Amino acid sequence: DGGITQSPKYLFRKEGQNVTLSCEQNLNHDAMYWYRQDPGQGLRLIYYSQIVNDFQKGDIAEGYSVSREKKESFPLTVTSAQKNPTAFYLCASRNRGRVTEAFFGQGTRLTVV
Amino acid sequence: AQSVTQLDSHVSVSEGTPVLLRCNYSSSYSPSLFWYVQHPNKGLQLLLKYTSAATLVKGINGFEAEFKKSETSFHLTKPSAHMSDAAEYFCVVSDEGGSYIPTFGRGTSLIVHP
Repeated sequence: DGGITQSPKYLFRKEGQNVTLSCEQNLNHDAMYWYRQDPGQGLRLIYYSQIVNDFQKGDIAEGYSVSREKKESFPLTVTSAQKNPTAFYLCASRNRGRVTEAFFGQGTRLTVV
Repeated sequence: AQSVTQLDSHVSVSEGTPVLLRCNYSSSYSPSLFWYVQHPNKGLQLLLKYTSAATLVKGINGFEAEFKKSETSFHLTKPSAHMSDAAEYFCVVSDEGGSYIPTFGRGTSLIVHP
């Protein structure tokens, strides 16, 4: 079945550590996105990528980094510079174009311990 | 620039009564509009989308939404709420003028009472 897979589902990070969240899609979509979700704030865009080897900062990119070396993969690294990383992270993908909807993974819940 | 305002952070209804979740948008171009549903600790599932083919859009699970350009609104409705409808709902806009990045509203939590 086609879809988006995020792993792990739960992740715990110690202060000062970098952690990487995985996002893989087999939908052959060009565009991929990372969103952060906090209670009452909806989804805020961290980074997005429209094509391989290219990505752009979203609204809250500070303390995060990404790569897009393959079309199907868009990992997100939460660095130690991100001061408040505890949140629910969602990855999405879509075909480029006006009328296509985004497909979402099941999310990764990151907690700082 | 594009933005979405969901007018209610929480909506509470009784099972079997109508549901109305309100959404207003702002877009410099002809927008595409979407409604998604999210159950706790899950990803988002598409309910319906507006793509300019028809102003009244029917989605899954009995939901529908009407695009009103004059009011810049895209409200989500359902004639009769079910307990399983209790979830978070997001209105999303993606305009055609730029990079088509989906922009989310803050969400509306639907509470359904027995």
